[in-house]
Amino acid sequence: QQQVKQSPQSLIVQKGGISIINCAYENTAFDYFPWYQQFPGKGPALLIAIRPDVSEKKEGRFTISFNKSAKQFSLHIMDSQPGDSATYFCAARVSDKLIFGTGTRLQVFP
Amino acid sequence: DSGVTQTPKHLITATGQRVTLRCSPRSGDLSVYWYQQSLDQGLQFLIQYYNGEERAKGNILERFSAQQFPDLHSELNLSSLELGDSALYFCASSARGVQSAEAFFGQGTRLTVV
Repeated sequence: QQQVKQSPQSLIVQKGGISIINCAYENTAFDYFPWYQQFPGKGPALLIAIRPDVSEKKEGRFTISFNKSAKQFSLHIMDSQPGDSATYFCAARVSDKLIFGTGTRLQVFP
Repeated sequence: DSGVTQTPKHLITATGQRVTLRCSPRSGDLSVYWYQQSLDQGLQFLIQYYNGEERAKGNILERFSAQQFPDLHSELNLSSLELGDSALYFCASSARGVQSAEAFFGQGTRLTVV
């Protein structure tokens, strides 16, 4: 019930393409959905986040789409760049606890 | 640089041993969180301290313990180590008293148990 399922496990995208990472949840008590970006050898860093009363949030090339009825949310990276190559984690908050997905390793090739 | 400092960066030890991981939070942050990241696994929340007091517990084994000192730095103690304890251990800090999405992560300690 408190799991967040993330897919795909890995993703290879050509430079300039769109990267899409999906997450799904069951617990309707989740009230905040952040995405984290982690580069090798570094800790995760907050990238973008959304609340369930909003269907979309965009920050630069990064967009979160949120479908409350389907209990799914996704991260879209437009015009993907080699510098975006990293591991991305979705997360969901309930009772002030963050539950993380298992991560997606994104590789963007020039 | 997140402002959260973890030491050591790497640690190699034998099964059955005990190790201590250290975390210095960002200046002014009262909350410290510990997470475990195993290979191909997400981030597993272990424990949170707020201003010296234990605030929340996650999937932390009984062999593991933590504390937060008056100067707000925290230590995670791992004892009777097993091969399966090999992982990246992250510390995060935030100004808030709850596990927050705005928490800032350190660079982690990579623990290898041989």
